[in-house]
Amino acid sequence: EVQLVESGGGLIQPGGSLRLSCAASGFTVSGNYMSWVRQAPGKGLEWVSIIYSGDGTYYADSVKGRFTISRDNFKNTLYLQMSSLRVEDTALYYCAGTIGAAVYFAYWGQGTLVTVSS
Amino acid sequence: SYVLTQPPSVSVAPGRTARITCGGHHIGSTSVHWYQQKPGQAPVLLIYYDSNRPSGIPERFSGSSSGNTATLAISRVEAGDEATYFCQVWDSTTDHRVFGGGTKLTVL
Repeated sequence: EVQLVESGGGLIQPGGSLRLSCAASGFTVSGNYMSWVRQAPGKGLEWVSIIYSGDGTYYADSVKGRFTISRDNFKNTLYLQMSSLRVEDTALYYCAGTIGAAVYFAYWGQGTLVTVSS
Repeated sequence: SYVLTQPPSVSVAPGRTARITCGGHHIGSTSVHWYQQKPGQAPVLLIYYDSNRPSGIPERFSGSSSGNTATLAISRVEAGDEATYFCQVWDSTTDHRVFGGGTKLTVL
C-alpha cells in the first residue's frame, strides 16, 4: 500500500522559511515524478512544483525563486524548502506522486498546514 | 499560462446523471484528469487520460473530451458523490500541471 506522509508545517511569520517533508512507503520517490500541490483555505488546488525522476524541477510562477523541491533517495523522502514566505502562501500542502512519467497524480498524502501570519 | 474553467457548482437529484465541464483552449488535444475531494480529505484520482478509471472507481464515473470542453459524467448519482471535483491537465509548453477551479456537486 502506498503511503505519503507530510510533515513540517506550522505557523511562520512573513519573510520566514520552512521545510516540508513527505515520507513515502510502498512507493519509490526517486523512480517516479513527485509534486507538491497546495490548497488555500476554502479554495481550489494549486500545483506548486515537480521533481522528475531524472532530477529536472519545475515551479509555479507564484513560488519560483522562493521554493526549492528536492528529494533524498536513501530516505525515500520528498522535500519543499520554502523561503521568503508570504501571507498568500498559507495553505494545506499536499505531496502527490505519479506512476512513472505520468502527468496525473495517482497518490496523495493527507497534507501539512502552513500558516504565514504575523 | 493555460487556464481551465469549471462551473463553481452543479446540483443534481439522486439517481440522475451529473455532468461537470472543464473548459480550456483545444482541451480535446490534450489529456484531462479528474479528481474528487470530499470535505477534510485529500483529493482522489477519479479519471485519468480523459476516460480511464483507476481500480476501485465505480463505472458510474466516466470522462470525455472534445474541442474546448472536457466532461466528467456521474450516472446514478448518490448522496455519497457530494464533493468538489477538479480537472487537471499538463501544460506541455511550460511543463506545469494546471488545475481547474473546482466544481462543488450538490445532491438534492
